Amino acid sequence: EPEVTQTPSHQVTQMGQEVILRCVPISNHLYFYWYRQILGQKVEFLVSFYNNEISEKSEIFDDQFSVERPDGSNFTLKIRSTKLEDSAMYFCASSWTGHNEQFFGPGTRLTVL
Amino acid sequence: GESVGLHLPTLSVQEGDNSIINCAYSNSASDYFIWYKQESGKGPQFIIDIRSNMDKRQGQRVTVLLNKTVKHLSLQIAATQPGDSAVYFCAETPSGSARQLTFGSGTQLTVLP
Repeated sequence: EPEVTQTPSHQVTQMGQEVILRCVPISNHLYFYWYRQILGQKVEFLVSFYNNEISEKSEIFDDQFSVERPDGSNFTLKIRSTKLEDSAMYFCASSWTGHNEQFFGPGTRLTVL
Repeated sequence: GESVGLHLPTLSVQEGDNSIINCAYSNSASDYFIWYKQESGKGPQFIIDIRSNMDKRQGQRVTVLLNKTVKHLSLQIAATQPGDSAVYFCAETPSGSARQLTFGSGTQLTVLP
């Protein structure tokens, strides 16, 4: 069964450093998403991406964040200058259309020291 | 404001019994709803979805009920098994778009032997 994969599973970084979280969505999906989940809290939407551009983004997704689909398989989330409050689980998701279920990856745990 | 919330943070059931997990939403424009299961250390796993033109949908051992009049969603799990122990989230999107999911805060389901 096809699945969304994410690397690394755990990323530790120093405050102010740049990090890139990587995702490989399900191959025939067209919509891609990033969500985050701070420990003990609900999952929060960050951004959706379709046709090589951002479709929607939340207030969390400020200028420190960017997304990219550098090739036909990868989808990345970059945090330019990490802050302590960026520590969270980051989930990538993908869907075939913008109107059906999103399938989530296992997540990357980001720890900012 | 727009919110999706769950009535109970924890639910314990005996193995073999049926489980009912509830969710309230306040955005009357929401017309697509999804239930996700999240096991410890993993990403949300799609269980079942329902659109607002339906009031009931059944899957394998699971049923989702939607009451638009009172903006209430429930997930019923038949013959609950130990493997069903997890946190269950409802999520919703407005206006026919599944691009930006708004998650509820989750219910921890514990299946007792």
